[in-house]
Amino acid sequence: GAGVSQSPRYKVAKRGQDVALRCDPISGHVSLFWYQQALGQGPEFLTYFQNEAQLDKSGLPSDRFFAERPEGSVSTLKIQRTQQEDSAVYLCASSDYEQYFGPGTRLTVT
Amino acid sequence: GQQLNQSPQSMFIQEGEDVSMNCTSSSIFNTWLWYKQDPGEGPVLLIALYKAGELTSNGRLTAQFGTTRKDSFLNISASIPSDVGIYFCAGPRLQGGSEKLVFGKGTKLTVNP
Repeated sequence: GAGVSQSPRYKVAKRGQDVALRCDPISGHVSLFWYQQALGQGPEFLTYFQNEAQLDKSGLPSDRFFAERPEGSVSTLKIQRTQQEDSAVYLCASSDYEQYFGPGTRLTVT
Repeated sequence: GQQLNQSPQSMFIQEGEDVSMNCTSSSIFNTWLWYKQDPGEGPVLLIALYKAGELTSNGRLTAQFGTTRKDSFLNISASIPSDVGIYFCAGPRLQGGSEKLVFGKGTKLTVNP
C-alpha cells in the first residue's frame, strides 16, 4: 500500500532563496506532523495539523518557516530566505494512531 | 529542544552477537517507542511499549519499559548485516495541542559480517 511520500527528495538552495517541500500523507490520515532532523541528531518536532487546522506550530524555529494543509490532505512546508542553519532532513509523518514517516527531503543551503 | 538520552552513541559488532542499547529521560513517559532509520529513509517503528515494566518482543528484538517510566532498553539478538542502521527511542509528549514525538539522538549500529 502507499505510504507517506515526500518531494523533492533532495533540494539544494542558495542562501536567501525560498523553498517549498511537499508531503503526501497516507490517505485518510487526519493527523500530519513535520519534523526537522539535523545531521547526527534525532528528529525534532516542527508543526502539527489535524485535517486542515494547524493546531501546533510551537516547533517552527522562526517566522521564515510556514506550513499549510489547505484541504486536509497534502501539506507544504515553506522556508523563506533560507539560511545555512536550515540545512537538514525534513520529515513528514501522518498518523491514525502510530506515526508513519516519509523518506524525508534533504535540504542543503549553500 | 528536549531530547531523550541514548547510549551508546555507536556500536561496532560482529554478525551473530547480541546488542543492547538504552534510553533515559529526566521526565516520565507513558509510552516508549523504538524506531530504526536506514540511510535516506524515514524512521520505521519497531516496538511500542505502553505499560511500566512491560517486556515486548518483535522477532529478534526485545524492548522493556522501565519501571520508573523514565527509561527503556532495546536488545537485538543474533545480529545480522541488515540490522545496520540508526536506532532511536522516542516518547510522545502531549503539549500545545499535539502529541508530538520527542526523540533521542540515536544509536548507530554497524554489523561486521
